[in-house]
Amino acid sequence: GAGVSQSPRYKVAKRGQDVALRCDPISGHVSLFWYQQALGQGPEFLTYFQNEAQLDKSGLPSDRFFAERPEGSVSTLKIQRTQQEDSAVYLCASSLGTQNSPLHFGNGTRLTVT
Amino acid sequence: GESVGLHLPTLSVQEGDNSIINCAYSNSASDYFIWYKQESGKGPQFIIDIRSNMDKRQGQRVTVLLNKTVKHLSLQIAATQPGDSAVYFCAEKVGGATNKLIFGTGTLLAVQP
Repeated sequence: GAGVSQSPRYKVAKRGQDVALRCDPISGHVSLFWYQQALGQGPEFLTYFQNEAQLDKSGLPSDRFFAERPEGSVSTLKIQRTQQEDSAVYLCASSLGTQNSPLHFGNGTRLTVT
Repeated sequence: GESVGLHLPTLSVQEGDNSIINCAYSNSASDYFIWYKQESGKGPQFIIDIRSNMDKRQGQRVTVLLNKTVKHLSLQIAATQPGDSAVYFCAEKVGGATNKLIFGTGTLLAVQP
């Protein structure tokens, strides 16, 4: 079966532009997570959805970051007025949502802000 | 693609040897732990998990050991192969409803043929 799919694979944005990153989770996975990974670092939690409800957004670094999952499947992470410090790989993961079910990650979107 | 292993602790082993990668986790309330493997340009790939009520779990060529007393986790890889070369992360779930994982800093495993 298909894994977690993310698009675009690479995104270059000029400082100040808005970007939208898409995640298609594994079919039937209730939980969806967004992580940010800087070069040479481990992934850092951004936000979490259970179905369409955003239950935890404590990791979003500023109000320029916004995530949605309106129908409980595909999710979009939007970054407004991008800054150079936003350059990173953005990873999406999904899980069944049962207690202690592992997260399955996509290959990420590499965002470069110039 | 570029390496995700820059400035990471590195473990260099010979092909065929056993590898042990260590991880110290931060929260004594963590109840679930996962090891992930990340190759350059790819997302983290699930290897093996363990719950806090266990101290050892074995998979195919891999074993995870959990020592809650000292908050230490290790991953043992038997008969290491060149395809095992990657960055390895441990991750902990603190508990509660979120199921979110907190990742460690990672270890680069370099397998020499």
